[in-house]
This record gives sequence, C-alpha cells and structure tokens, in this order.
Amino acid sequence: GAVVSQHPSWVICKSGTSVKIECRSLDFQATTMFWYRQFPKQSLMLMATSNEGSKATYEQGVEKDKFLINHASLTLSTLTVTSAHPEDSSFYICSAPDPGQPFAEQYFGPGTRLTVT
Amino acid sequence: GNSVTQMEGPVTLSEEAFLTINCTYTATGYPSLFWYVQYPGEGLQLLLKATKADDKGSNKGFEATYRKETTSFHLEKGSVQVSDSAVYFCALSSTGGGNKLTFGTGTQLKVEL
Repeated sequence: GAVVSQHPSWVICKSGTSVKIECRSLDFQATTMFWYRQFPKQSLMLMATSNEGSKATYEQGVEKDKFLINHASLTLSTLTVTSAHPEDSSFYICSAPDPGQPFAEQYFGPGTRLTVT
Repeated sequence: GNSVTQMEGPVTLSEEAFLTINCTYTATGYPSLFWYVQYPGEGLQLLLKATKADDKGSNKGFEATYRKETTSFHLEKGSVQVSDSAVYFCALSSTGGGNKLTFGTGTQLKVEL
C-alpha cells in the first residue's frame, strides 16, 4: 500500500523555539493531508486539513498562528509549531487519503513525538 | 457533532481467545465506519471498513458489522494471536465530511501466550 513518512520521529526543543515537522507521501500524490494531535491514552484530534497550493483549514480551537501549515508540493506538507511551550508536547500524526479510494481510506505517518522543555 | 465511543483498555487475552472491542458512534447522515490498528512503533493502518448499514467489513480474521439501529461497529475476532497485540481505533467519516475522520480513544489489546 501507499506509504506516508514523517520526519523527525522525535524532537526535543526548548520553550520559545519553533519546530518543523515534515509529512511526505512517498509513492502517491496527495492534494490533501491531515494533521492530528494525540495525547497519551487519548484519541487522535484533527488539527487541520492541509491543501496543496492553498491555505490550510483549521479545526475549531486550533491556533493557526501557532501551528503553521504549508503544503508546498503534492508530496510534502509541513507543520511548524511556533514559540513552542511545554503544553505543546504531544504526538503529532499526519495522514493522506488515497486518491483512488472513494471512502476516505487514509494512510498514516508513523508520528512525531515532540517534547518541549 | 460526530463522536465515537470505544471500550477502554487495556484488554488482555490469552492466545486463541475470542475478542470483542465495542464501538458506538454518533453522526449526522450516513457515515462510513472504520477500524484502524496501530502496531508498536508504526503508523495507523486500515484494518477494515464498512460504508453502509448491514455491511460487514473483514480482514485478517477480524470482522465488524455496521449496525445502524444500534449505531455500533463492534470489532470481533474468533481466535487472537500474540501478533494481534496493538492499539485499535474505531473511526467514522461522515457524508460530505471531506475525508475527515473522527476517532475513538483507542483500545490497547495485549495477547499473551
């Protein structure tokens, strides 16, 4: 099946700095990608929909100025956590729907563990 | 809004035991329903899906039936293996939702010899 990669797999940063997470579709083109956040023992929470060539669509309650999303090409979306704080520590996961599947079959990246100290 | 409720884990079973993980949902319209599995250190993978009422999704010995009358999509397997140890997520995608998925909290399954 299709593969989605994320980089880095884990990152530790200091409070106040910014961190960029990459999500790549390796063998298919993804006009849309999704970014999720997962807290320990909790569900995946959809943060935003990344659209190639246009602005991302953010879910209610997600700060667009804090979580910057750029979908610069059909195989790459990036999430930048700006001015990170300890409460931003979490597991961030991206996914991309298979363009050949009509019922939202999505391929997920392995996730990025962010720890803000 | 849409929501998915799963039984809490962890669920610990002996190999060859019968597995049921309950999932119920709330959604507008006629959602598609999914079970995703996350093995340790890996990304979520689609396990099975059902797109309309009474459909049965099946894969790798796992089954789930879309029950509109009870708004449920319970996951079952007749005989689990140690290799089935993972976290299982129930999810839905609502009509016109633009491929957005709403997930349950996940249920960790541990299968022991």
